[in-house]
Amino acid sequence: AQKVTQAQTEISVVEKEDVTLDCVYETRDTTYYLFWYKQPPSGELVFLIRRNSFDEQNEISGRYSWNFQKSTSSFNFTITASQVVDSAVYFCVLRLPAPNNNDMRFGAGTRLTVKP
Amino acid sequence: GAVVSQHPSRVICKSGTSVKIECRSLDFQATTMFWYRQFPKKSLMLMATSNEGSKATYEQGVEKDKFLINHASLTLSTLTVTSAHPEDSSFYICSATSRWQLRTEAFFGQGTRLTVV
Repeated sequence: AQKVTQAQTEISVVEKEDVTLDCVYETRDTTYYLFWYKQPPSGELVFLIRRNSFDEQNEISGRYSWNFQKSTSSFNFTITASQVVDSAVYFCVLRLPAPNNNDMRFGAGTRLTVKP
Repeated sequence: GAVVSQHPSRVICKSGTSVKIECRSLDFQATTMFWYRQFPKKSLMLMATSNEGSKATYEQGVEKDKFLINHASLTLSTLTVTSAHPEDSSFYICSATSRWQLRTEAFFGQGTRLTVV
């Protein structure tokens, strides 16, 4: 079964704090893709990152960083020095390979609130 | 990145009427489009997958006669909510991809907030 678990339903931090959003996935496939999307109150999904299963290299993009650990089936997302504009719902997503290569499984989402 | 345009962004309709939502890929050929539904404070749930020129494949529990999907061209897919009722009120999002984009993210439309009164 393919599944994405985001155990943290809601997180609230104060501006400038660091925050980590957890994501654990399940799949029997050896080839798969993982994504993080941000959904601000407007509803539009904003693409943040994509990782394929063969690339365990961690990535940093400005205040954002991602830790991909195949051994624990986790793909965690850290925001450093959070800002109010980071307030949104964040989704971790698992994309399956062919023939279901376009089937994206969304986690439940984590609602992040950054207070000034 | 590629652009997917979804229209309208918001619609209010009376109970019993039908509403059509359009999803267009503006700069690539979308061989596959997906329709998702999102309830308030919930995640996205896949409703159906449509391949250009074929009938849509619906997820279990989704009424295909209620949610009509047409994907007649490589740049346009439509979702028609027929005989809408208040329980159909939701946020609907489309996404598009192509067989030439297997390793990239699917591109999402801006979403349509449907309110049935």
